[in-house]
Amino acid sequence: SQQGEEDPQALSIQEGENATMNCSYKTSINNLQWYRQNSGRGLVHLILIRSNEREKHSGRLRVTLDTSKKSSSLLITASRAADTASYFCATDRGSYIPTFGRGTSLIVHP
Amino acid sequence: NAGVTQTPKFQVLKTGQSMTLQCAQDMNHEYMSWYRQDPGMGLRLIHYSVGAGITDQGEVPNGYNVSRSTTEDFPLRLLSAAPSQTSVYFCASSYSVAGAVVLTFGAGSRLTVL
Repeated sequence: SQQGEEDPQALSIQEGENATMNCSYKTSINNLQWYRQNSGRGLVHLILIRSNEREKHSGRLRVTLDTSKKSSSLLITASRAADTASYFCATDRGSYIPTFGRGTSLIVHP
Repeated sequence: NAGVTQTPKFQVLKTGQSMTLQCAQDMNHEYMSWYRQDPGMGLRLIHYSVGAGITDQGEVPNGYNVSRSTTEDFPLRLLSAAPSQTSVYFCASSYSVAGAVVLTFGAGSRLTVL
């Protein structure tokens, strides 16, 4: 069964706006990652945050992790049309292979 | 570097046929895995391998076999295809970064079973 669940399932915004998507999970984790999937392509790793970290940045991406609430958020600032994609969170508990959620579909209108 | 290469990209099978989805990586990664992606279901793990000669089942292993005779290759075999196996299949290889496993995905193989 899926460990992480993204929210919302779909998000539609205008170029230049910020996009926020959330991931909730059920059991304690060691690490949480976010991946992006463009239409018809494989997933691409965006960012990794460990359970002892609260926030990480990478370019226009900001990820937060609240282990007490078992949740994470991905913020994309100043969205561009090229950010249109599905975004997945993946969690692991020290196992070899992360478990993925169902994803958030983001559409950024030019 | 090519990264993770999957073949074929598209395949149509009839119920009961067997086939092998190929996956090769050139990054010398220890771990490899197969996922299937269905609408509204995200990615579900089928089988994975932590090294040559070692494989294990994931969340949805039934109807699939794997083997890992070399570090580079991790083929996925469908023994007797069923319409429920219509899906997009992704192979991934991964490395460990201080206890975290980061995945590199192939481009996917779209399988239709009639």
